[in-house]
Amino acid sequence: DAKTTQPNSMESNEEEPVHLPCNHSTISGTDYIHWYRQLPSQGPEYVIHGLTSNVNNRMASLAIAEDRKSSTLILHRATLRDAAVYYCILRDYWDTGRRALTFGSGTRLQVQP
Amino acid sequence: AAGVIQSPRHLIKEKRETATLKCYPIPRHDTVYWYQQGPGQDPQFLISFYEKMQSDKGSIPDRFSAQQFSDYHSELNMSSLELGDSALYFCASSLRSPGQGHGYTFGSGTRLTVV
Repeated sequence: DAKTTQPNSMESNEEEPVHLPCNHSTISGTDYIHWYRQLPSQGPEYVIHGLTSNVNNRMASLAIAEDRKSSTLILHRATLRDAAVYYCILRDYWDTGRRALTFGSGTRLQVQP
Repeated sequence: AAGVIQSPRHLIKEKRETATLKCYPIPRHDTVYWYQQGPGQDPQFLISFYEKMQSDKGSIPDRFSAQQFSDYHSELNMSSLELGDSALYFCASSLRSPGQGHGYTFGSGTRLTVV
């Protein structure tokens, strides 16, 4: 899997937006950008994924740079429950569902009340 | 919706004992993955199964083995346990379809403590 780079940690205040960056300068044309998060003492959970266009779902938004070398996960209003480690993972289209996810070092998000 | 079920949730074993962890994937998911997460570490892939056959192998110690049964549930068998095996063990399942970014569903994990 192509390498991604994320900040080790970030802090946010409750009710404020959070922008979690991810750099992936070696992304290939068939790599999807996936975001998973892991709440304390729980298994990772899917957040969002995209290829080229920005994506929105009930949990978050994914903004993808035009050159696809970086992306940003946006939590529109952080809650205490959003405190977790967020992982940005690149997966080739044909590998998804066929090979295991590889977790690198994600971003630990702390949310202050 | 049904999720990935893991049992037991907690397990305490002594050194040199054996342990068996169980995983029940989401119905119709055909691939199961096992991960190990030590304290303060990121999840590390151990092994996966597709249609009851070993699919990929990660950093699984030789003391560990796993299999997937006809009902698609999987078991991770760990022998000669060491203190360093204390960790959270996650199971995930997916449907072997390309492009399914949301297709990996993880269980809540089994916390193994070796004393």
